[in-house]
Amino acid sequence: NAGVTQTPKFRVLKTGQSMTLLCAQDMNHEYMYWYRQDPGMGLRLIHYSVGEGTTAKGEVPDGYNVSRLKKQNFLLGLESAAPSQTSVYFCASRWGDPYYEQYFGPGTRLTVT
Amino acid sequence: LAKTTQPISMDSYEGQEVNITCSHNNIATNDYITWYQQFPSQGPRFIIQGYKTKVTNEVASLFIPADRKSSTLSLPRVSLSDTAVYYCLEGSSNTGKLIFGQGTTLQVKP
Repeated sequence: NAGVTQTPKFRVLKTGQSMTLLCAQDMNHEYMYWYRQDPGMGLRLIHYSVGEGTTAKGEVPDGYNVSRLKKQNFLLGLESAAPSQTSVYFCASRWGDPYYEQYFGPGTRLTVT
Repeated sequence: LAKTTQPISMDSYEGQEVNITCSHNNIATNDYITWYQQFPSQGPRFIIQGYKTKVTNEVASLFIPADRKSSTLSLPRVSLSDTAVYYCLEGSSNTGKLIFGQGTTLQVKP
């Protein structure tokens, strides 16, 4: 039981490049989340999903797209990376209401130059 | 979804009980309160959740008064390893959103 895994762990992009971050969970959780955390700051919700095939916007969705084609995977895409997207990206999952315990992945450290 | 409000930082000494209060004045009827702990370079870790009154588990207690406009996380007899950032979240049962507040940095001193 691996829990929540994130791929890749580190990445350096040039401005304008694109990439996809993969989050996978093996706990059969319904809900999945993408957060970003800038240095010394709290976590900000980018997008989330309440079930397979669904996605919704969080606090800071601009510049990102997501897809949840399979229940166990939640993909975060950056179409045209900008230096302002340099951050640590965390994925999380949970069962669903009324269970609010989120299980977090180890994070992806992204630098955009 | 209204954000929660917490103190930016707190100091304590080993062996003391620490109480961190969170304000959520506009909490919705069906929303729960959860608390998370985060160490540097790690993802947050769930501590406890509650709806009303008092909930206790092996690591903490959570007290939510009847009006539910605030909550208090209580950490008994803290140690140096409890130095971390603590986040209070309001869980929306209508949308599924979970928004982190600014968090409270707890520094435990020897």
